[in-house]
Amino acid sequence: SSELTQDPAVSVALGQTVRITCQGDSLRSYYASWYQQKPGQAPVLVIYGKNNRPSGIPDRFSGSSSGNTASLTITGAQAEDEADYYCNSRDSSGNHYVVFGGGTKLTVL
Amino acid sequence: QVQLQQWGAGLLKPSETLSLTCAVYGGSFSGYYWSWIRQPPGKGLEWIGEINHSGSTNYNPSLKSRVTISVDTSKNQFSLKLSSVTAADTAVYYCARGRYCSGGSCYFPGGWRSPYYMDVWGKGTTVTVSS
Repeated sequence: SSELTQDPAVSVALGQTVRITCQGDSLRSYYASWYQQKPGQAPVLVIYGKNNRPSGIPDRFSGSSSGNTASLTITGAQAEDEADYYCNSRDSSGNHYVVFGGGTKLTVL
Repeated sequence: QVQLQQWGAGLLKPSETLSLTCAVYGGSFSGYYWSWIRQPPGKGLEWIGEINHSGSTNYNPSLKSRVTISVDTSKNQFSLKLSSVTAADTAVYYCARGRYCSGGSCYFPGGWRSPYYMDVWGKGTTVTVSS
C-alpha cells in the first residue's frame, strides 16, 4: 500500500506534550520523515530517520516508530509550533513512489 | 547552503501545459532525488514525481500520463511539464531535494531501509488554471 494516514487535527495546551501519528504499510520498512508547514510557507523538515533533527530544529521535537505507525512528539509545545504537520516516506512495495500523509493541523491552546 | 529557486507561468488556461523550472544553488546536483510536489488550496501535499542527475525518473501513477520531469545538469536545473491542465491542477507547486540518510547520523536496523527525506525546498510557485 502507498498510503499514509494521519489524524486531521490535534490540539495541545501550551507547554504540554503532544504526539502526532502516521500509519502505513511502508512504515514497516522506512522511517517516516516529518515536515512542519506554517500558512503561506514551504514545508520544513523537522525529523528524519530513526530520530534525527536537522540543524536549527529545537530538541523538543522527536520521532519514534513502532510497527506500521510513526510518531512525532513535541515535548513542551510552544505557540510557534502551531502548524500543519506531514509525514512522508517512500513506498515499500517496489514501485519507487514517494508518499505523504494527509497532514495534521496542530492547534496550541 | 543549498537553495532552490523556482519559476514558471502562474496563470494557465484549461488544456494548456504547465511548465516550471527549479535551479539548485550552492550544492551538488548528483547523489540526490529532485522532486516536484504540489498543494491545492486548503489541501495537503501531493508528490508529483522525481528525477536524479542521470535522468532516471519516478512519477505519481495518478499523474504519470501527463507529467514529464527533465534535468539539465549543465545548469543544475530540473523542470516539470504537466500537460492538459484543468482547474484541478490549481495549486502551489514546490521543488525539493530528496535524499537517503547516510553517514554517522543514520541508524536503521536489519529489515529497515535507509531513511528517505526531503531536506531542502523551494519557496513554491502558485499556478492557477482558469478560463
